[in-house]
Amino acid sequence: DGGITQSPKYLFRKEGQNVTLSCEQNLNHDAMYWYRQDPGQGLRLIYYSQIVNDFQKGDIAEGYSVSREKKESFPLTVTSAQKNPTAFYLCASSPRGFYTEAFFGQGTRLTVV
Amino acid sequence: LAKTTQPISMDSYEGQEVNITCSHNNIATNDYITWYQQFPSQGPRFIIQGYKTKVTNEVASLFIPADRKSSTLSLPRVSLSDTAVYYCLVGDAQAGTALIFGKGTTLSVSS
Repeated sequence: DGGITQSPKYLFRKEGQNVTLSCEQNLNHDAMYWYRQDPGQGLRLIYYSQIVNDFQKGDIAEGYSVSREKKESFPLTVTSAQKNPTAFYLCASSPRGFYTEAFFGQGTRLTVV
Repeated sequence: LAKTTQPISMDSYEGQEVNITCSHNNIATNDYITWYQQFPSQGPRFIIQGYKTKVTNEVASLFIPADRKSSTLSLPRVSLSDTAVYYCLVGDAQAGTALIFGKGTTLSVSS
């Protein structure tokens, strides 16, 4: 099945630790995105990448880092510099020329204690 | 990117038609209008997209007037399972800029 996979679904970490969220897609999409969603809020853009080895900051990139070494993968690292990391994280991808038709993963709920 | 404005919430009953209007006064020539649906604890799902006039698929219809400054998502005969948040987005499908989501419209369907 083609799709976009985020893992794990739930993640618990202690405060001060870095944590990496996985996002893999087998849709052959060029563009990939990371969003953060807090309770009752819309999605806020963290980072996005249009091609391999290139990515741009979104509105709330501080405290996060990404890499795009392969077309299929776009991992997000939540660093200890992120003040309020507890949130629902969503990864998405879209094909070249159809950037507005994005496919989303099921999300990772990160809880920092 | 054009900013969108849509109602925070709407209520409906099963079997009714629901129309959610989105305002996008600053829409650009190359922008498309796209709607997504999101259920709790899930990622958004693409519903429908259009440029002008009317678009219909198996899930919804999208009405866009000639000036394209607004659009209306129409859900025919809603059921309880249509309870979700609906997002209206405006953007250039070929530009590669990231999708910007607002808070969306929370639709609650009751029996």
